[in-house]
Amino acid sequence: QVQLVQSGAEVKKPGASVKVSCKASGYTFTTYGVSWVRQAPGQGLEWLGWISAYNGNTNYAQKVQGRVTMTTDTSTSTAYMELRSLRSDDTAMYYCARAEVATTDLDYWGQGTLVTVSS
Amino acid sequence: NFMLTQPHSVSESPGKTITISCTRSSGNIARNYVQWYQQRPGSSPTTLIYEDKKRPSGVPDRFSGSIDSSSNSASLTISGLKTEDEADYYCQSYDSNNHMIFGGGTKLTVL
Repeated sequence: QVQLVQSGAEVKKPGASVKVSCKASGYTFTTYGVSWVRQAPGQGLEWLGWISAYNGNTNYAQKVQGRVTMTTDTSTSTAYMELRSLRSDDTAMYYCARAEVATTDLDYWGQGTLVTVSS
Repeated sequence: NFMLTQPHSVSESPGKTITISCTRSSGNIARNYVQWYQQRPGSSPTTLIYEDKKRPSGVPDRFSGSIDSSSNSASLTISGLKTEDEADYYCQSYDSNNHMIFGGGTKLTVL
């Protein structure tokens, strides 16, 4: 069965970076992409970007463009999302989700990784 | 870019039918597919409807999606409401840069 398992919770100071991992199993990793979505406490969903696991092409949301880097490691079927220059408003649950291409639905989701930014 | 506007909250009794709207602020709602996600408290979202009206396997036919060009909106209809349907519901579409856009979410209370 398809599973996306994310890395554990992180606490970071303002200005630091965080790198969240998302290990996929149960399907051929390179035939799908991965989107990253975050949810601030008590708030709605916010899309951060998408990466193709086939060729590494990326498409980032304007709000985080320049601070975010999404990568994949096909040898371990793992996707990564790194966010730099963290601010307090980056505190959120970060989800990875499978998406065949950038414009298809997110059919499987990871369990979420809570990133807390606090001094 | 456009926005997707949903009611903040809705409520209805068990067994009834409810419809949650998702209005696109500019551009034709039919131009890009709309998806609907359900998020129960403390859980990750799951897909209820994709490509405007399709249901993934395992999603009951009590859930249906539609679009209406006259109101430029998409709708999620849930019939035969159950207490387990209490959750947040999000609509989602794409802009011309293939950037995903979510509605603000609707909290459904079944009382």
